[in-house]
Amino acid sequence: EPEVTQTPSHQVTQMGQEVILRCVPISNHLYFYWYRQILGQKVEFLVSFYNNEISEKSEIFDDQFSVERPDGSNFTLKIRSTKLEDSAMYFCASNGVNNYGYTFGSGTRLTVV
Amino acid sequence: AQKVTQAQTEISVVEKEDVTLDCVYETRDTTYYLFWYKQPPSGELVFLIRRNSFDEQNEISGRYSWNFQKSTSSFNFTITASQVVDSAVYFCARPDHGSSNTGKLIFGQGTTLQVKP
Repeated sequence: EPEVTQTPSHQVTQMGQEVILRCVPISNHLYFYWYRQILGQKVEFLVSFYNNEISEKSEIFDDQFSVERPDGSNFTLKIRSTKLEDSAMYFCASNGVNNYGYTFGSGTRLTVV
Repeated sequence: AQKVTQAQTEISVVEKEDVTLDCVYETRDTTYYLFWYKQPPSGELVFLIRRNSFDEQNEISGRYSWNFQKSTSSFNFTITASQVVDSAVYFCARPDHGSSNTGKLIFGQGTTLQVKP
């Protein structure tokens, strides 16, 4: 069964450093998303991406965040200057509309120290 | 955003018991989709079911069943004869934008299910 692949599975970074979280969505999917889950809390929407541009973003997705689909297969989330409160599990998802909808990756656990 | 409420924060049962996880949603839409996801201790989000509001028939998949009641805006999930491997956090979710199934998903707070041997 097709999967959404996320790398790395766990990343530790120092406060103020830039991080890039990587995702490979399902190949024929058109809609891409990033979600965040702070430990013990619910899953929160960050951003959606369609047709090579952001289609929607949440209040969380401020100027420190950016997304890119650089080569037609990868979908990345960049955090420019990480803060302690960015520590969370980050999920990538993709959606092909005509299947069961949203498929999530296994997540990247980001720890900012 | 249209809310999804999972009032049960934690449920603990003994293996082989049946357990129902509640989900109540807000909607201003005539047509909409609803989802359930499972998050085991390993952390990934596992898709369980998608329903659209046109179809109010209850659905059964093995030990899992879902009861969709439009009149009460509820989409409850029952596990029959629970097993230890069912221990996980379960999330109910819906797209925020009506009939779209491509818009952002709004998740409930999740219910932590612990199944004891």
